[in-house]
Amino acid sequence: EVQLVQSGAEVKKPGESLKISCKASGYSFTSYWIAWVRQMPGKGLEWMGLIYPGDSDTRYSPSFQGQVTISADKSTSTAYLQWSSLKASDSATYFCARPQGGSGMVGWFDPWGQGTLVTVSS
Amino acid sequence: AIRMTQSPSSLSASTGDIVTITCRASQGISSYLAWYQQKPGKAPKLLIFLASTLQSGVPSRFSGSGSGTDFTLTISWLQSEDFATYYCQQYYTYPPTFGQGTKLEIK
Repeated sequence: EVQLVQSGAEVKKPGESLKISCKASGYSFTSYWIAWVRQMPGKGLEWMGLIYPGDSDTRYSPSFQGQVTISADKSTSTAYLQWSSLKASDSATYFCARPQGGSGMVGWFDPWGQGTLVTVSS
Repeated sequence: AIRMTQSPSSLSASTGDIVTITCRASQGISSYLAWYQQKPGKAPKLLIFLASTLQSGVPSRFSGSGSGTDFTLTISWLQSEDFATYYCQQYYTYPPTFGQGTKLEIK
């Protein structure tokens, strides 16, 4: 079974750093892109960027470029999303998801991780 | 980026009803459209891709149609478990973009 399992909820203070994870199983991790999607409280889905673990090719939405870093570890089949200095406005649920079909990089998303709730508050 | 606009933003219906949600793209996207269902506190679930292809395991009361710029998701014979928020997403071009969502509520 293809599965993405994310790390647990986090509570952080503004200015702190954070790295959340998305562990893949059931398929060849290095052969598929993995994307990150943000959902702010009560709001819709926003595509943040994605990575191809095979060669670490990474792309970002202009809205998130410079705000987050996406990485992957082939040895553990895990993708990461990290912040160097969190802001209150980063409070949201973050999902990882695998694009399918389309061009490989752009496709429909399935499966999805269960989501990681990040709360940033002083 | 291609803008996806869903209508309505919210919808009230009763069990057994037929409902239709519309998604419009700001430019033609052929049939490169997916639909998702999301329940509170859960990840989105893929329902339909390629505008009308039902994902494995999704009940046949869900159907999708359209191409170019105008698309619809139809749910026939609404069941209690169908009350959720629905999103469309285009993958015709990079970056992929989502509609703002349609919340389907019980009347």
